[in-house]
Amino acid sequence: ETGVTQTPRHLVMGMTNKKSLKCEQHLGHNAMYWYKQSAKKPLELMFVYNFKEQTENNSVPSRFSPECPNSSHLFLHLHTLQPEDSALYLCASSPNGQNNEQFFGPGTRLTVL
Amino acid sequence: QKEVEQDPGPLSVPEGAIVSLNCTYSNSAFQYFMWYRQYSRKGPELLMYTYSSGNKEDGRFTAQVDKSSKYISLFIRDSQPSDSATYLCAMSDQYSSASKIIFGSGTRLSIRP
Repeated sequence: ETGVTQTPRHLVMGMTNKKSLKCEQHLGHNAMYWYKQSAKKPLELMFVYNFKEQTENNSVPSRFSPECPNSSHLFLHLHTLQPEDSALYLCASSPNGQNNEQFFGPGTRLTVL
Repeated sequence: QKEVEQDPGPLSVPEGAIVSLNCTYSNSAFQYFMWYRQYSRKGPELLMYTYSSGNKEDGRFTAQVDKSSKYISLFIRDSQPSDSATYLCAMSDQYSSASKIIFGSGTRLSIRP
């Protein structure tokens, strides 16, 4: 595997479900990011981790809970989501947290019923 | 007024045409300018990265920044059907954390064979 991978690629869940999104980067980077991409809207940064420490939380609701066990893996735990949370969730990595050049994964298309 | 404005398109041009994609912005402190290409069902990939004003060329792609007009452009020469994708502009005011990167909402481009 190369680059940034994300699983699952598609996820449908009910509002009472609990699920997790997984991201893995094979680039040797130290910073990882979660973004939300909704139709016809700009990318919204959700969380930033730099050397496994969370450095940014852009006022994301607590129903989204990130976890970064090491510099290569990033999770987004989901619970009691709302239909408006349906979107493409993108993971990205960069050499460090002070770097504009980010490498994105293919995303997880999430649908909340 | 949004910080970054980008026409969503769709923009449809015949193969071989010169394509011009544009973004305007309001923050005069922006210094770093990026263009990402996003194919359907994929994550964005960094295409061009420029600092301050001027032009940067990479093969068939030219990025242009006019800071006096707060206007950036991406030109694609000899466009190919494989260039069909959504193009996102992004910019930041310093080589710093990801939270300072502002994305446009993307322009969908279609190249007709």
